[in-house]
Amino acid sequence: GESVGLHLPTLSVQEGDNSIINCAYSNSASDYFIWYKQESGKGPQFIIDIRSNMDKRQGQRVTVLLNKTVKHLSLQIAATQPGDSAVYFCAENSDYGQNFVFGPGTRLSVLP
Amino acid sequence: EPEVTQTPSHQVTQMGQEVILRCVPISNHLYFYWYRQILGQKVEFLVSFYNNEISEKSEIFDDQFSVERPDGSNFTLKIRSTKLEDSAMYFCASSERGRYTDTQYFGPGTRLTVL
Repeated sequence: GESVGLHLPTLSVQEGDNSIINCAYSNSASDYFIWYKQESGKGPQFIIDIRSNMDKRQGQRVTVLLNKTVKHLSLQIAATQPGDSAVYFCAENSDYGQNFVFGPGTRLSVLP
Repeated sequence: EPEVTQTPSHQVTQMGQEVILRCVPISNHLYFYWYRQILGQKVEFLVSFYNNEISEKSEIFDDQFSVERPDGSNFTLKIRSTKLEDSAMYFCASSERGRYTDTQYFGPGTRLTVL
């Protein structure tokens, strides 16, 4: 089940390095954001979320940074591993409902 | 670990035909969702469902689409008269509760190809 087409931006990193994946969101009223990981043949998998009253949130090996001034979201993955290879995309919510707006995705490729 | 399952993994149909995509959400979840992803494009929300009713739907979810929970375990998406542009991956998801901050668990998707 591919989720992406042929023109996704790709980030290639060496195993063990840190990865930074970026997302520009569109709605200045958005107040909740999610990063998803999608491996080949699988559905999106929740990684981490952040609300607009925060600018940083950390999980296990992942950190999300939110810059509301420039409407930018980033996902940092520490010590990237081969299992991190996937497509990553952000989603934003502005109306407290279920209608999330998804970003186009970035393909992360981890080189041995 | 409980997971959302979807069948079939790939559905091929002729334009104008009806299709039903099936999902089995996680058993103690109460909120169910359908999304689609046209190849090369973004994931798009279609509909959310709770207590046998649609709770929210997007502009994509027009009269050609319907959802149903026919029994205690299945959640289905029906497209009445498929069009070429309905070709996409369709993902089902479920969450324990319906707050927008509740984690949604996605199934592996059904690839729909309309010829």
